[in-house]
Amino acid sequence: AQSVAQPEDQVNVAEGNPLTVKCTYSVSGNPYLFWYVQYPNRGLQFLLKYITGDNLVKGSYGFEAEFNKSQTSFHLKKPSALVSDSALYFCAVRANTNAGKSTFGDGTTLTVKP
Amino acid sequence: DAGVTQSPTHLIKTRGQHVTLRCSPISGHKSVSWYQQVLGQGPQFIFQYYEKEERGRGNFPDRFSARQFPNYSSELNVNALLLGDSALYLCASSLGGAQFYNEQFFGPGTRLTVL
Repeated sequence: AQSVAQPEDQVNVAEGNPLTVKCTYSVSGNPYLFWYVQYPNRGLQFLLKYITGDNLVKGSYGFEAEFNKSQTSFHLKKPSALVSDSALYFCAVRANTNAGKSTFGDGTTLTVKP
Repeated sequence: DAGVTQSPTHLIKTRGQHVTLRCSPISGHKSVSWYQQVLGQGPQFIFQYYEKEERGRGNFPDRFSARQFPNYSSELNVNALLLGDSALYLCASSLGGAQFYNEQFFGPGTRLTVL
């Protein structure tokens, strides 16, 4: 069975500081990993994905994520946080053998304070 | 370009009733997935359809069913509604096919309240 864990319900950082939102996963086979962001009263938006290749993936709005196979992790990072980054972030996994099912974590609320 | 659209935006039903939710994918996308999102949780996978065929099904009872039409739009049907079915129902479209790694584009959702 697939699963995703986002161990932190909430992450607070000061504007300009680096941020990390953690994600670990469990899946049979090779994983496809995704990060999505949900702003208040708006739908989920795709940020970035890992398919294969370079373990460091760059995405929208300056975000990046690092795939670590041995630790089964896919942490989201940004070198310098903005107040406008405050939102709800979801990590998702899909096995490369199962096109149908994407499993999402329960989300992490990121708050960036000025 | 139009994104994923869903209708209705909000819906109030009573226990035991039936509901139909509708979704139109982004033009050119052939895959549609349905998710249930309860407050405080991530989206839970219900169905995925590609080229009008079911490609995946989550752990939901048979009261939940879906279909995809030739124009790739989709309907989610829920029979015999329970209070626990109250949630935000999300539709997502993607290119689909053998490209399992395609990201999904989500609609704004339908807020279903069961009284």
